[in-house]
Amino acid sequence: DAKTTQPNSMESNEEEPVHLPCNHSTISGTDYIHWYRQLPSQGPEYVIHGLTSNVNNRMASLAIAEDRKSSTLILHRATLRDAAVYYCILSRLTGANNLFFGTGTRLTVIP
Amino acid sequence: GAGVSQTPSNKVTEKGKYVELRCDPISGHTALYWYRQSLGQGPEFLIYFQGTGAADDSGLPNDRFFAVRPEGSVSTLKIQRTERGDSAVYLCASSQPSGRAKHSYNEQFFGPGTRLTVL
Repeated sequence: DAKTTQPNSMESNEEEPVHLPCNHSTISGTDYIHWYRQLPSQGPEYVIHGLTSNVNNRMASLAIAEDRKSSTLILHRATLRDAAVYYCILSRLTGANNLFFGTGTRLTVIP
Repeated sequence: GAGVSQTPSNKVTEKGKYVELRCDPISGHTALYWYRQSLGQGPEFLIYFQGTGAADDSGLPNDRFFAVRPEGSVSTLKIQRTERGDSAVYLCASSQPSGRAKHSYNEQFFGPGTRLTVL
């Protein structure tokens, strides 16, 4: 599976937008970009996914570069509840969706 | 509705002992996954079930690890002759059946995990 690279940690002020980057220069044409996050002492939870076009849902937006070698998860207004480790994952959507997590980005939200 | 549940929430055992960890997936989810998460790391894939059968067990680290799902619902992860290196949080996830659409998305829903400590 293609590898992703994320910063180890980021900080954001509460109620400000957060842009979490992810590099995936070896992405293949059939790889989808997934984002999950893990709040303290909980299992991961799905945030968003996309293939080529930018995506929006109630939790976040996903901006995908035209060459698909990078993407950015956007939280429009960070809250204290958004403090978590955010994982950017590549996988194909056919059949099993075994997720191969890296170490993710630990987001700290400052009140 | 009820999410994925895992029992026990914490398990402390001694080196060399046998342990079983249980996962109750969301009702109707045919896909079930086990992951292991060591401190400071992301979850690591262990095994994936589609129904009763293990469709991919390539992540199991060695033959001391085994998992079953006899009726296609509850799953048990079994670890024989535990070692201190097995200490981790064991996570279970489930997802909907694969849809007929080629690109149907099956979000994984994770349980809270079982924290295993091997002394």
